[in-house]
Amino acid sequence: DAGVTQSPTHLIKTRGQQVTLRCSPKSGHDTVSWYQQALGQGPQFIFQYYEEEERQRGNFPDRFSGHQFPNYSSELNVNALLLGDSALYLCASSDDLGDTQYFGPGTRLTVL
Amino acid sequence: DQQVKQNSPSLSVQEGRISILNCDYTNSMFDYFLWYKKYPAEGPTFLISISSIKDKNEDGRFTVFLNKSAKHLSLHIVPSQPGDSAVYFCAASAGGNQGGKLIFGQGTELSVKP
Repeated sequence: DAGVTQSPTHLIKTRGQQVTLRCSPKSGHDTVSWYQQALGQGPQFIFQYYEEEERQRGNFPDRFSGHQFPNYSSELNVNALLLGDSALYLCASSDDLGDTQYFGPGTRLTVL
Repeated sequence: DQQVKQNSPSLSVQEGRISILNCDYTNSMFDYFLWYKKYPAEGPTFLISISSIKDKNEDGRFTVFLNKSAKHLSLHIVPSQPGDSAVYFCAASAGGNQGGKLIFGQGTELSVKP
């Protein structure tokens, strides 16, 4: 039973560029959430997707956008990258009836 | 505002003894609480959860206690093992239209010494 997978593992970008991160949910899960974890902090909720729509959003600017595909996989896009966007980006999946979210290994984004 | 707080950044425990990790919250709408364990360079791993209708949930060596009146939860690990050394995060979510959004504490780094 495959868990949550994310790609790429690491990414280095420069300020002003755009980035796309990808996530495949755990088998049987249809809901995907994205979190940003800065060094020394707990993960912070970015948004959640269900049935290909953004269902909830945290306090992140519009530069952060996402998408969910019919197979439940998801993408996180960040435009106009800032140095402060450097962080570990985590994807978590759950089924719509479940409260427990299962996390992938994360993508480490470095913005120079 | 920090709705979920873990006031101890680190904890050191001897192997075989009990580890107690604490977490406080401020939002009375939270109705589901979780503990995650995180190793460096890995994503958080789900450990145990508790609904607000309970005050205790046990799974093997891990027990979570919830005190709603104090808005406090704790994770007990007995007996502690060196492999338990990791960063532990508590998280909370509210039902209704806030369901699914997890609010995390800042984490407590547990070190279990042989």
